[in-house]
Amino acid sequence: EAGVAQSPRYKIIEKRQSVAFWCNPISGHATLYWYQQILGQGPKLLIQFQNNGVVDDSQLPKDRFSAERLKGVDSTLKIQPAKLEDSAVYLCASSLGGAGVESWDEQFFGPGTRLTVL
Amino acid sequence: AQSVAQPEDQVNVAEGNPLTVKCTYSVSGNPYLFWYVQYPNRGLQFLLKYITGDNLVKGSYGFEAEFNKSQTSFHLKKPSALVSDSALYFCAVKALGGGFKTIFGAGTRLFVKA
Repeated sequence: EAGVAQSPRYKIIEKRQSVAFWCNPISGHATLYWYQQILGQGPKLLIQFQNNGVVDDSQLPKDRFSAERLKGVDSTLKIQPAKLEDSAVYLCASSLGGAGVESWDEQFFGPGTRLTVL
Repeated sequence: AQSVAQPEDQVNVAEGNPLTVKCTYSVSGNPYLFWYVQYPNRGLQFLLKYITGDNLVKGSYGFEAEFNKSQTSFHLKKPSALVSDSALYFCAVKALGGGFKTIFGAGTRLFVKA
């Protein structure tokens, strides 16, 4: 089965520019996650979707970050404007998630997008 | 607040020796516990999980983990390490107290020497 796809793999931008990342989850997975992984740290959840609805965005910096999951399939994460501290790897993951947020399904991760903000 | 601690940044072990990667957690409610592995230039991969039942959980590639409720620990183990096990290992937890948000530890880098 195809895994989680992400693009681009690498992105270099200057501060105050905007950037968008795309994710296509595994077919049939109801839950989609976006994580930020700063070098030397574990992934930090930014936003979690159940189908096309947001179930948790408590750690998303909403003044500059936005995400959508149209039609409950693929998703985009946008940063506008970017700051130096946004330099990180942005990971997308998906899970079956049929039981909603209480699901104990394991997550399947994409390869990530490495963002460098200069 | 929910938290996960991986007290060792790095673990070194000789090939063929047993390995342990430590994880402790602090949550409200019964935890769901996970281990993931990240190989160089590859995404995180699921290894194993504890939901309920038997405290010893077996997973991929010969790994296992023991849930200890009294010590709030979920240490990852393997009886005989391989050089190919060298990677970055992450412990993760989700529980009712944290709204079932997945919280990851900072990771432990495992080096297996031939």
